Amino acid sequence: DAMVIQNPRYQVTQFGKPVTLSCSQTLNHNVMYWYQQKSSQAPKLLFHYYDKDFNNEADTPDNFQSRRPNTSFCFLDIRSPGLGDAAMYLCATSRDRGSQQFFGPGTRLTVL
Amino acid sequence: LAKTTQPISMDSYEGQEVNITCSHNNIATNDYITWYQQFPSQGPRFIIQGYKTKVTNEVASLFIPADRKSSTLSLPRVSLSDTAVYYCLVGNNAGNMLTFGGGTRLMVKP
Repeated sequence: DAMVIQNPRYQVTQFGKPVTLSCSQTLNHNVMYWYQQKSSQAPKLLFHYYDKDFNNEADTPDNFQSRRPNTSFCFLDIRSPGLGDAAMYLCATSRDRGSQQFFGPGTRLTVL
Repeated sequence: LAKTTQPISMDSYEGQEVNITCSHNNIATNDYITWYQQFPSQGPRFIIQGYKTKVTNEVASLFIPADRKSSTLSLPRVSLSDTAVYYCLVGNNAGNMLTFGGGTRLMVKP
């Protein structure tokens, strides 16, 4: 039973071409997170939503934006992808901010 | 910022107990400690969470000393399938400082 779904699993885009990654959840959790994970590194939190309240990490580049139109869906928009944005992007949810996070399988982004 | 530090890698053999320690010297009063397991090309998976003393579930134990400046994940009798990266995460319900440690790459050998 898929609980946190990410589409697509693999995404290829061109340098500077906007791209949107999507995440959906069937858990009805209040919190949704977006992480960036580069090869052999730990996941790095980009931002999270608590319900409709958006919380941006201080060092998240402006190039990264997010939308949460409803409880179930959350989107990551990369306005002008650079080569350094190639990474695995992980979506996660949790009931509350301090509780267990459930991660999706990730979307691997390639920038040509 | 409750920065966390973990050993980069550890080796073990099947059937042994493995203990992985995470240091978090600046942990705040309302921070919890959570451990995740990650296999290649998958999202992290929750293992255990604790605030103080000892927590045990069906897969692991978590030991947290009184000063809470470190925590130890204990995996009893590991198998080859426990080969993975293990992350320590310190954070609180205000959404602050959700910082993963660098991760410990555990290799379990036959």
